Amino acid sequence: DQQVKQNSPSLSVQEGRISILNCDYTNSMFDYFLWYKKYPAEGPTFLISISSIKDKNEDGRFTVFLNKSAKHLSLHIVPSQPGDSAVYFCAASSGTDKLIFGTGTRLQVFP
Amino acid sequence: KAGVTQTPRYLIKTRGQQVTLSCSPISGHRSVSWYQQTPGQGLQFLFEYFSETQRNKGNFPGRFSGRQFSNSRSEMNVSTLELGDSALYLCASSLGGFGETQYFGPGTRLLVL
Repeated sequence: DQQVKQNSPSLSVQEGRISILNCDYTNSMFDYFLWYKKYPAEGPTFLISISSIKDKNEDGRFTVFLNKSAKHLSLHIVPSQPGDSAVYFCAASSGTDKLIFGTGTRLQVFP
Repeated sequence: KAGVTQTPRYLIKTRGQQVTLSCSPISGHRSVSWYQQTPGQGLQFLFEYFSETQRNKGNFPGRFSGRQFSNSRSEMNVSTLELGDSALYLCASSLGGFGETQYFGPGTRLLVL
């Protein structure tokens, strides 16, 4: 049972445009959400997080939106750059439980 | 501060063999988690260790085991390897609180022939 789902395995965006990566979850107990970025041959690196008491968190070009009623979060990257090309994983946890990861979305930013 | 290190980076084994992977967390981090990444499956949680005790466990068979030492270094062992165990194995460390940001190592890529 996949509690965290990233339904788009890949996304292609032109440089300078907005990239929107989506993530849905089923467990209403999740209260902390994170996005990780992964380049080939490297481990995932933390990008941005949001707690369930907020609906938006921004860090430079990266903004995460949380819609608790829809059990949906999204990561916006504006403007997209070629160096953003990577696999993006969303992850979620509830207070005392492990981190659950989605299956990832491969983002390609082309010139 | 040095990041999370994992050894070896690449490994080739044959079915039936066993393998031990090692992970050294960031200095001061007491929690180490292990994940298996396979194409299309994302990161599947194996287990988490905190202060030498297994604190969380995923849905993997008993062939997968781990341990953590007093210096927080962790090892993961897979016995009786199967072809389906071929994957990237990632470890991640954090200070220790639940839900904290985890910092990942580069992973060990295991190929089972």
